[in-house]
Amino acid sequence: GAVVSQHPSWVICKSGTSVKIECRSLDFQATTMFWYRQFPKQSLMLMATSNEGSKATYEQGVEKDKFLINHASLTLSTLTVTSAHPEDSSFYICSANTQGLGEQYFGPGTRLTVT
Amino acid sequence: AQRVTQPEKLLSVFKGAPVELKCNYSYSGSPELFWYVQYSRQRLQLLLRHISRESIKGFTADLNKGETSFHLKKPFAQEEDSAMYYCAPVVYNFGNEKLTFGTGTRLTIIP
Repeated sequence: GAVVSQHPSWVICKSGTSVKIECRSLDFQATTMFWYRQFPKQSLMLMATSNEGSKATYEQGVEKDKFLINHASLTLSTLTVTSAHPEDSSFYICSANTQGLGEQYFGPGTRLTVT
Repeated sequence: AQRVTQPEKLLSVFKGAPVELKCNYSYSGSPELFWYVQYSRQRLQLLLRHISRESIKGFTADLNKGETSFHLKKPFAQEEDSAMYYCAPVVYNFGNEKLTFGTGTRLTIIP
C-alpha cells in the first residue's frame, strides 16, 4: 500500500513552453503533498507544501508564479513549470502523507529537460 | 538556524564490518527524526523513525539529545545496504509538517 505515482517520468520541452507534472496517491487519500527538486548528486530541496483545496505554501526562494501547484483532490496534485528555461532542468519529486503520521511516501520522480 | 548535517558524503565499508552514518541536527525542542534510503534506481523510502525505536534491515538509530545526534548504525554491513541515506527531521509549522533533508551519505559496501 501507500503508492505514489508521477507522470510523466521524463519530459523534454523547449524553452518558453510550460510543462505539467502529475502526482497521484494510488491507494490512499493524501491530505498533504510535497514537491521537491533534486539537482544531480545533491539532496532534495523542498519547493512547496500542498494541501487539498487550499493554496500551496512555497519555500523561500521558490517563485510561485513560475511553479504553479494545484491540489484539486485528495489523490492528485500537479506542478506546472511555466515558461520553462534550461535552468529549470532538474529532477522533480513529489511525496504524500496522511495527516499526522510524519512518514512521507515518495513518487519515482520526473526528469525535466528544457532545451 | 535550524539544520541537519550529514558530515560524510561518501562512506565505504567492507561487507561484514560495522556501519555508522552520522547525522547531527540543530533543531530546538524535540524534533521527530527519520532516516530515508534510496537504493539504486528506486524511489526514496522510509528506513526508520526514532519514535518507533525499531530495527529495520538490521539498522538502528538512537536519538541523543545531549549530542543532538541521530546516527544510523548496523553491526554487520551487507552488500544490499549500498544506497544513498538521508537523515531528515520533521519540522512542524502551524499544523503543517515538512521534512528537511540532510545532504545525504552514499554508502558503498565493498564485497
